Amino acid sequence: NAGVTQTPKFQVLKTGQSMTLQCAQDMNHNSMYWYRQDPGMGLRLIYYSASEGTTDKGEVPNGYNVSRLNKREFSLRLESAAPSQTSVYFCASSELQPSLGGTQYFGPGTRLLVL
Amino acid sequence: GESVGLHLPTLSVQEGDNSIINCAYSNSASDYFIWYKQESGKGPQFIIDIRSNMDKRQGQRVTVLLNKTVKHLSLQIAATQPGDSAVYFCAEGAQKLVFGQGTRLTINP
Repeated sequence: NAGVTQTPKFQVLKTGQSMTLQCAQDMNHNSMYWYRQDPGMGLRLIYYSASEGTTDKGEVPNGYNVSRLNKREFSLRLESAAPSQTSVYFCASSELQPSLGGTQYFGPGTRLLVL
Repeated sequence: GESVGLHLPTLSVQEGDNSIINCAYSNSASDYFIWYKQESGKGPQFIIDIRSNMDKRQGQRVTVLLNKTVKHLSLQIAATQPGDSAVYFCAEGAQKLVFGQGTRLTINP
């Protein structure tokens, strides 16, 4: 049982390049989330998917797109990377939404540097 | 808008002492609160949670206290150990979680 896995672990991009961050969970969770964490700060929600087939914007969605490919996988795409998107990206999943006691389980993160 | 803040960005305690990490939240409608621990280079790890209809919940060596009157949340760690060194985040929400800035806990031998 791997939990939440993310690929790649590290990535360096040039401004304007595109890439997709992959996330998968094997816990049969309904909800999945993408966060970014900047130095010395907490996590900020980019997008989330409450259930398969749905996606919604979080606090900082600009510059990103997501795809809930199936129940297991939730990808995050940067169409045209900018230096401001240099960050550590975390994917998380939960069986239920937080108000119903849905604990979020996090992946190990993807470290992205945009030059 | 919603915000979750911490009173202290860093906390240093002696090994064996109790640690108390505080958190203030602004959304009085939040009904779920959670504490995460994040070690260097890793993703956040669940510690303990509490619903708004409770004011205290205990786990193994950890206790979370919720004071809805002053919108304050605290995490108490008993007999702090070197392995407790990490950044601790509080988060609150309903459908989505809003995270605080984090408190770095360091343990002095």
